[in-house]
Formats: sequence, structure tokens, C-alpha cells
Amino acid sequence: GAGVSQTPSNKVTEKGKYVELRCDPISGHTALYWYRQSLGQGPEFLIYFQGTGAADDSGLPNDRFFAVRPEGSVSTLKIQRTERGDSAVYLCASSIQGATNTEAFFGQGTRLTVV
Amino acid sequence: AQRVTQPEKLLSVFKGAPVELKCNYSYSGSPELFWYVQYSRQRLQLLLRHISRESIKGFTADLNKGETSFHLKKPFAQEEDSAMYYCALSGPAFQKLVFGTGTRLLVSP
Repeated sequence: GAGVSQTPSNKVTEKGKYVELRCDPISGHTALYWYRQSLGQGPEFLIYFQGTGAADDSGLPNDRFFAVRPEGSVSTLKIQRTERGDSAVYLCASSIQGATNTEAFFGQGTRLTVV
Repeated sequence: AQRVTQPEKLLSVFKGAPVELKCNYSYSGSPELFWYVQYSRQRLQLLLRHISRESIKGFTADLNKGETSFHLKKPFAQEEDSAMYYCALSGPAFQKLVFGTGTRLLVSP
């Protein structure tokens, strides 16, 4: 069985450009999370989906960041007008449900570099 | 606000020595505590959670609500334990993980 898949694994983009990062969760997992990990830091929460809806988007840093999960499976994190400070590893995780004591399975991450 | 503190960025020990990776948390409710591990070139994965009260790969962690701590311990470290370890907190009121900054464990032969 495949785990959480994230594409691309690496993305280099120019400042000001638009990027999309994709996450394919484990089949049957209703909960999906996006985290951002900067160098030397732990993962920081961005957004949580339960099914198709964003149940908690309190971690999105500003309105340049947006995420969707239209069919309750694959999710896309979209970043507009990228800035050098957006450079980080973006992690996706999924779990069977959103309960806090169920295991979250992480993808390998997308390393975004804004030059 | 919820917060997790891992005071050590790096912990270096010799094989066979005891290991304790420290984790303190700040949360006024009933916490759910986890340890996640990331081995070299692998994805972040769950090591153990306090609610299971289990020992995984020889590691244990006890939740101490009085000291607000969830330290990870192993009596005899192995070289294959070398990895990045993250303590994380969740709670019934919020469906997300709050991570510490991580501790790199290096076990030398």
C-alpha cells in the first residue's frame, strides 16, 4: 500500500511566481494536514481538512496561501506571489479521522526554494 | 496557547549509554503527547504516543502532568537510533499537532 505521496519533491521558483504543491493521501483517510518546516524548526501547522472542507486554516500565514481538496482526496496547496521567506519543506499528512490520538502519516515533503 | 519545548538541539552519546530526550509542553487542557522520529532520508513517522503506554524500539515516555513533561528514554542506545526526534502535542479542542524544534540524537560506536 502506498503512503502519502507529495509532488514535486523539489521546486525552485522565482520570487513573485505562483506555485502549486500536490498531496495524495492514503486511501480512505478523511483527515489531511499541511505543515511547513523551515530550517532548524519543527513542522508548523498550516491547514487541516476533514473531507472536502477546511476545518481549520488558522495556520495559513497570509492570503497568498490557499489550499483545496475538492473531492476529499487529493489536496493542492497554492502559493501566490512567492517570497524568499516561503522557502521551506512543505509536509502533508493524513489520518483515518481527525481525532487527535490517531496516527498521522506524513509524506516525504516538497522542498520549495524561492530565488 | 499550546507550546512544545525541546531544549537540546543535539544529543550525542555512545552506543550502550542511556538516552533521555527532553520535552516540556504548555497546554491548559488535557494533552495528547507524541514522539515522532525522522531517520536519515526517510519521512517523519510516529514513534510512540502517551495514550498507548507502549514501548517502541526500546523507547518509553511517561507523561508527567505536574512537571508538564514527556521525556523520551531508552536505557541502552543503539547506532540505528541516530535520527531527528520531535515531540508533539495535540488536544481534544484542536485537531492538529504542535511540534517542538526537534533534537538530533547521534549514537556513536
